[in-house]
Amino acid sequence: GAVVSQHPSRVICKSGTSVKIECRSLDFQATTMFWYRQFPKKSLMLMATSNEGSKATYEQGVEKDKFLINHASLTLSTLTVTSAHPEDSSFYICSAKRGGYNEQFFGPGTRLTVL
Amino acid sequence: QQPVQSPQAVILREGEDAVINCSSSKALYSVHWYRQKHGEAPVFLMILLKGGEQKGHEKISASFNEKKQQSSLYLTASQLSYSGTYFCGTAASGGSNYKLTFGKGTLLTVNP
Repeated sequence: GAVVSQHPSRVICKSGTSVKIECRSLDFQATTMFWYRQFPKKSLMLMATSNEGSKATYEQGVEKDKFLINHASLTLSTLTVTSAHPEDSSFYICSAKRGGYNEQFFGPGTRLTVL
Repeated sequence: QQPVQSPQAVILREGEDAVINCSSSKALYSVHWYRQKHGEAPVFLMILLKGGEQKGHEKISASFNEKKQQSSLYLTASQLSYSGTYFCGTAASGGSNYKLTFGKGTLLTVNP
């Protein structure tokens, strides 16, 4: 149980394009999903918290117009990196949490490379 | 605030034990431990809630001292598969304000 998937696992795009990353909870309903960013050999940095059906809460310093988050259902959240630039290249990981529980379960991550 | 993990790195021989510490300057509601292998996402190990409990998972266990705002992860009789970076994540509260702040990680290498 508690399986989270992400798609795509890897994406390479040109500078200026937008990229959408999907995060799905496969066997449970995720009332809250989290999006993290991780640079090589660094810790996980929380970007935003999204609750199903409401607007995402972004961490300080994260541009909400650049990183669009949608949590339209209890099993799906999407992160869209708009007008991507090389500095956006990173490992993006989502996690999901069930209502009433404290554990977060991570997806396998998406490695984004912007050329 | 980011919790502080120690040590930053540790090298073991198979069968040896290790302790990884995580401390916070803020009062904690819960501490979460994860292991991440290179190029992969973190894998959940265990969660400890305030109340000063200890948990075990096979040869991996953890304790949480709420008063000291510290948690320790104990790895006994280490196996090669234990290699990876261990992160602690701390939450100051539960409920709707819940979110995790992760430490910088501890790189554990287990050699044959």
